[in-house]
Amino acid sequence: AQRVTQPEKLLSVFKGAPVELKCNYSYSGSPELFWYVQYSRQRLQLLLRHISRESIKGFTADLNKGETSFHLKKPFAQEEDSAMYYCALRGGYSSASKIIFGSGTRLSIRP
Amino acid sequence: EPEVTQTPSHQVTQMGQEVILRCVPISNHLYFYWYRQILGQKVEFLVSFYNNEISEKSEIFDDQFSVERPDGSNFTLKIRSTKLEDSAMYFCASTGTGETSYNEQFFGPGTRLTVL
Repeated sequence: AQRVTQPEKLLSVFKGAPVELKCNYSYSGSPELFWYVQYSRQRLQLLLRHISRESIKGFTADLNKGETSFHLKKPFAQEEDSAMYYCALRGGYSSASKIIFGSGTRLSIRP
Repeated sequence: EPEVTQTPSHQVTQMGQEVILRCVPISNHLYFYWYRQILGQKVEFLVSFYNNEISEKSEIFDDQFSVERPDGSNFTLKIRSTKLEDSAMYFCASTGTGETSYNEQFFGPGTRLTVL
């Protein structure tokens, strides 16, 4: 079964502290993994994808196929990082493939 | 920067009524999607649409649902006879400018549907 699991509904950290949002997935093939972010009153937007291996807004995520994980990390949290974060996967490398979302983690950065 | 737009932002309807949710995808995109998010739950795939036909649909997308691209710009989701459990945020998305893979799905702001 295709599934994305985000175990934390809410993560609250102080500004400047490291952040790690956990994500595990279940997929029989080779999925493409993403992190989407939704800031308050804004639309869902792509934060990063495992294929590109880039750092966006200081966030990185490494795909660990052995542990089937794709945790999102940032060494020093900023207040503007407060948002809802969704881990997601797309099966196969087709533009038509659906995206399967996790249930999301609300990240709250305390000043 | 081009964006996916959706109208209305909020729709209130009585149970059993038909509703049509409208989306204008990004103009040169070829693949279109509807997702929904029931309050407090995850975003769920409903249907994908390409070349004027459904590519894939989930088990949620039963006979009460239909999609259409009536005029080459709009992409609509119709719910024929709404139920209370259809209350959710409905997101439209689009992607794909050609044959390339790894295309980003761009999401609209959503339509909040409330069924009374």
